[in-house]
Amino acid sequence: GESVGLHLPTLSVQEGDNSIINCAYSNSASDYFIWYKQESGKGPQFIIDIRSNMDKRQGQRVTVLLNKTVKHLSLQIAATQPGDSAVYFCAELPDTGFQKLVFGTGTRLLVSP
Amino acid sequence: DAMVIQNPRYQVTQFGKPVTLSCSQTLNHNVMYWYQQKSSQAPKLLFHYYDKDFNNEADTPDNFQSRRPNTSFCFLDIRSPGLGDAAMYLCATSRHGTPGGEAFFGQGTRLTVV
Repeated sequence: GESVGLHLPTLSVQEGDNSIINCAYSNSASDYFIWYKQESGKGPQFIIDIRSNMDKRQGQRVTVLLNKTVKHLSLQIAATQPGDSAVYFCAELPDTGFQKLVFGTGTRLLVSP
Repeated sequence: DAMVIQNPRYQVTQFGKPVTLSCSQTLNHNVMYWYQQKSSQAPKLLFHYYDKDFNNEADTPDNFQSRRPNTSFCFLDIRSPGLGDAAMYLCATSRHGTPGGEAFFGQGTRLTVV
């Protein structure tokens, strides 16, 4: 399944599927991007990050893709598990000389067994 | 081990009664942030400290104030809470200058205004 971010805030997948969560960012000067996972009642938890001089970065079961031409970021989760159910936020860090994370609209991922 | 600790986890306050939320960190990070998060919305930055330097967001209401007495602690004061201030308040820290710039979040304080 695929989310189109702002227009589809909930993504429902079956366990074992691959999930793709999309994010459109606003500032072409942003230098650094992070994906956070937020479970119900908890604070955001770091998943993976990518700098603007890269277009792809892989972690454990997750891959982030960055397309600076269209200011688009995506998070791919392989073999999605019920424990992946959460709200996912992308965040950008403008290269302003100090740390000021700006969050995008979240996408809720629902994984059914 | 928790690195960013927020107390309390749940806070109920009366309309108009001042309330203080606290955050402490063991990471020795020089930047601390307060975010407000309402239901099903993204966290919204209220202000941040770079060391002792306070930086307010332009649209943060005057009702919200903050104190950072030392590196480890930061407080959010809401002078006269309204019903619209009910939200999850998130504290985060980061170290300026690190290659990643990752921010570490606490578990949040959920504020209810009655």
